[in-house]
Amino acid sequence: EAGVAQSPRYKIIEKRQSVAFWCNPISGHATLYWYQQILGQGPKLLIQFQNNGVVDDSQLPKDRFSAERLKGVDSTLKIQPAKLEDSAVYLCASSLVPRDEQYFGPGTRLTVT
Amino acid sequence: GEDVEQSLFLSVREGDSSVINCTYTDSSSTYLYWYKQEPGAGLQLLTYIFSNMDMKQDQRLTVLLNKKDKHLSLRIADTQTGDSAIYFCAEVSGYSTLTFGKGTMLLVSP
Repeated sequence: EAGVAQSPRYKIIEKRQSVAFWCNPISGHATLYWYQQILGQGPKLLIQFQNNGVVDDSQLPKDRFSAERLKGVDSTLKIQPAKLEDSAVYLCASSLVPRDEQYFGPGTRLTVT
Repeated sequence: GEDVEQSLFLSVREGDSSVINCTYTDSSSTYLYWYKQEPGAGLQLLTYIFSNMDMKQDQRLTVLLNKKDKHLSLRIADTQTGDSAIYFCAEVSGYSTLTFGKGTMLLVSP
């Protein structure tokens, strides 16, 4: 079974630029999560989708972050404009249903200079 | 609010047992998890325990849960150099939100 795929693996941008990350969950997984992991900390949930609907985006900085999962499969997370404090690893995870085991992708490491 | 606390660092010798501790605050958590993260990789679920259990054993891993003190521990028997990684404790709150601790870096020396 293929795991959660993410791209790119690494990205370096200057502050105020835009960036987008892509996630392809495990086939058949209805629930998709985006986490932000700042160096030295545990992952923090940004947004959770159930199929193509948003379940929880309470911790998403909506003035600059946006995410979509239009067809209920792949998802993209965008930052516009980026700030220095957005430097982190962005992890995507999926689960068959909510509260089920979450499978994590390898993450995208973003460096904002 | 939810908060998960872990010690930041643990160093052991190969063959010894490792014990990683965690405290949590959400008494309504139904599941508690241990994840492993190796350098440059995502998180891998190691084991989990239901809140109505006191102990769970899975090969070299033993999880102990003290609900009264909201204390969770992960014991790794016969620790190997390949066990060197960061270990995260996490609790489920709300709909299905995972709240993670800051992670414990385990260093296993030969």
